Amino acid sequence: EIVLTQSPGSLSLSPGDRATLSCRASQSVSNNYLAWYQQKPGQTPRLLIYHASNRATDIPARFSGSGSGTDFTLTISALEPEDFAVYYCQQYGSTLPPMTFGPGTRVEI
Amino acid sequence: QITLKESGPALIKPTQTLTLTCSLSGVSVDSYDMGVGWIRQPPGKALEWLAFVYFNDDKRYDLSLMSRLRIAMDAPKNQVVLTVTNVDPADTATYFCARRAGGIKSYGAIYFDFWGPGILVTVSS
Repeated sequence: EIVLTQSPGSLSLSPGDRATLSCRASQSVSNNYLAWYQQKPGQTPRLLIYHASNRATDIPARFSGSGSGTDFTLTISALEPEDFAVYYCQQYGSTLPPMTFGPGTRVEI
Repeated sequence: QITLKESGPALIKPTQTLTLTCSLSGVSVDSYDMGVGWIRQPPGKALEWLAFVYFNDDKRYDLSLMSRLRIAMDAPKNQVVLTVTNVDPADTATYFCARRAGGIKSYGAIYFDFWGPGILVTVSS
């Protein structure tokens, strides 16, 4: 099973700051099949990025994903007040099991 | 517009069987390339994937829980049902169902673009 580690566990920033979130896999993620989700308190996860670097529908351009193999990054170029949330990575490149989620990174003010 | 909604008991006793239903609208569970997964989130904790069923009834389970999980598709009702046997307080969580994103070329690739609002299930005597 591919285990995902996210760092840092939490990040204290201000609106306008750049946020860099890391997701590291215990083994190479096939085809760079990695997604990022945003979850605000009491809300449903929202798909941000898929295939490591593709923005999902209606996701602002300030969100970008990069990386390959075992190391992936989600960057928020300039934080907006609504971006303070928990961010999860998910790999879907394995077979058994077909997916795993990371433990999350909390971005807070 | 695609929507999903979970339903089931809010409170269940230890050792009982939990049955959750995901009702979909705006898309058919058996339409080509469709798939529905169940993911749970204990209070204050991370997301945990549980099970997944494809449009053709092909199923996948989390390895550590698969002996207690069953996922089933009911195409006429446009629903997906998850059962969890022998529940324990550690199964207390918000349970989400979610749709496999459309347009994925690789059959084995599963990520989710539409999610239900979730249902909080508490396991307690």
